[in-house]
Amino acid sequence: DQQVKQNSPSLSVQEGRISILNCDYTNSMFDYFLWYKKYPAEGPTFLISISSIKDKNEDGRFTVFLNKSAKHLSLHIVPSQPGDSAVYFCAASARIKAAGNKLTFGGGTRVLVKP
Amino acid sequence: ETGVTQSPTHLIKTRGQQVTLRCSSQSGHNTVSWYQQALGQGPQFIFQYYREEENGRGNFPPRFSGLQFPNYSSELNVNALELDDSALYLCASSYSPGRGTEAFFGQGTRLTVV
Repeated sequence: DQQVKQNSPSLSVQEGRISILNCDYTNSMFDYFLWYKKYPAEGPTFLISISSIKDKNEDGRFTVFLNKSAKHLSLHIVPSQPGDSAVYFCAASARIKAAGNKLTFGGGTRVLVKP
Repeated sequence: ETGVTQSPTHLIKTRGQQVTLRCSSQSGHNTVSWYQQALGQGPQFIFQYYREEENGRGNFPPRFSGLQFPNYSSELNVNALELDDSALYLCASSYSPGRGTEAFFGQGTRLTVV
């Protein structure tokens, strides 16, 4: 039972254009969402997060949008740069004390930014 | 400020053996979580340790066990290794177990079971 899904395994975009990564979730208990970026041979690096009380959070070139009714979030990268080429993971956590800070991850989207 | 470091980086074990993976948390962090990332998939939560006690566990059998030490470093132990245990094992530390505190990941340990 995959509670967090990233349906696009890969995305190719031209440098300077917008990259849009999508993520869907099924667990209505999730109320905090994060995006991580992962380069080969490195661990995931935190990018940006959003709480369910918001529908948008922006940090420089990165913006995350949350649509709670659709259980959908997206990450926009504008403008895309070659250094953004990596695997991006969407993650979610729920307000369950016993779960600590457990993150449930999607399967990842590999982004290639072409110069 | 040192980041999260894991050792070893690569490991090959035989089915049925036992393995211990190690993680040093980032300075000032008291919470460590372990994740398993199979090839082509996202990381899956194994368990979390906060102040030397287990603070949440994912859907992994008891042969996956852990420890956290007074300096907040941690170990992941896996007994009776199976071929499906082959994966990248990631350790993440944070300054509290609460949600909203971002987890910082190490580079991972690549375990191959043959």
